[in-house]
Amino acid sequence: DAGVIQSPRHEVTEMGQEVTLRCKPISGHDYLFWYRQTMMRGLELLIYFNNNVPIDDSGMPEDRFSAKMPNASFSTLKIQPSEPRDSAVYFCASSLAGTSSGNTIYFGEGSWLTVV
Amino acid sequence: GNSVTQMEGPVTLSEEAFLTINCTYTATGYPSLFWYVQYPGEGLQLLLKATKADDKGSNKGFEATYRKETTSFHLEKGSVQVSDSAVYFCALGYGGATNKLIFGTGTLLAVQP
Repeated sequence: DAGVIQSPRHEVTEMGQEVTLRCKPISGHDYLFWYRQTMMRGLELLIYFNNNVPIDDSGMPEDRFSAKMPNASFSTLKIQPSEPRDSAVYFCASSLAGTSSGNTIYFGEGSWLTVV
Repeated sequence: GNSVTQMEGPVTLSEEAFLTINCTYTATGYPSLFWYVQYPGEGLQLLLKATKADDKGSNKGFEATYRKETTSFHLEKGSVQVSDSAVYFCALGYGGATNKLIFGTGTLLAVQP
């Protein structure tokens, strides 16, 4: 299996620009998660989807962030406009079922975003 | 609320030393517990897990036992290798309406030859 695939792996952009991060989950997985990792705040769950439907977006920092999942094999996380404090590693993850009963969540390699 | 507390790093050990990374949790109900590992420049990978009290998860020489009485899930390895150098995350997971993993802050392990 190819695993969770994210793009781009690295992005440097200027403040105010729109950033779009992409994710292809593992085929057959019903859950998709977006996490953000920073030195200051560690790993934070931004949003997760079940069967393409957003279930919990309470971790999305503000209106500048939006996420979509138009179909079972693709999701995007968009930041518009971007700010330097958005610089972080953004991870996409997927799982066959949720975290109940110890279901494993599989992570992508991350998108390293730097906003200057 | 639900939370995970890990020992602060970095932890620096010599090769073949014994490793313990402490993890305690606060939760209502019966969460599942996980250890994830992150190697430099990579995403997180599941290392081991336990789904109920007294379960022991194990993988690649690492072990952790789900202790409900002490709300702990400490990670141990009898003899570490340089290749074990990474960041280790303890996490707890719930299903149902709160279907998410809650991570600890991570502990950096550096193993020296």
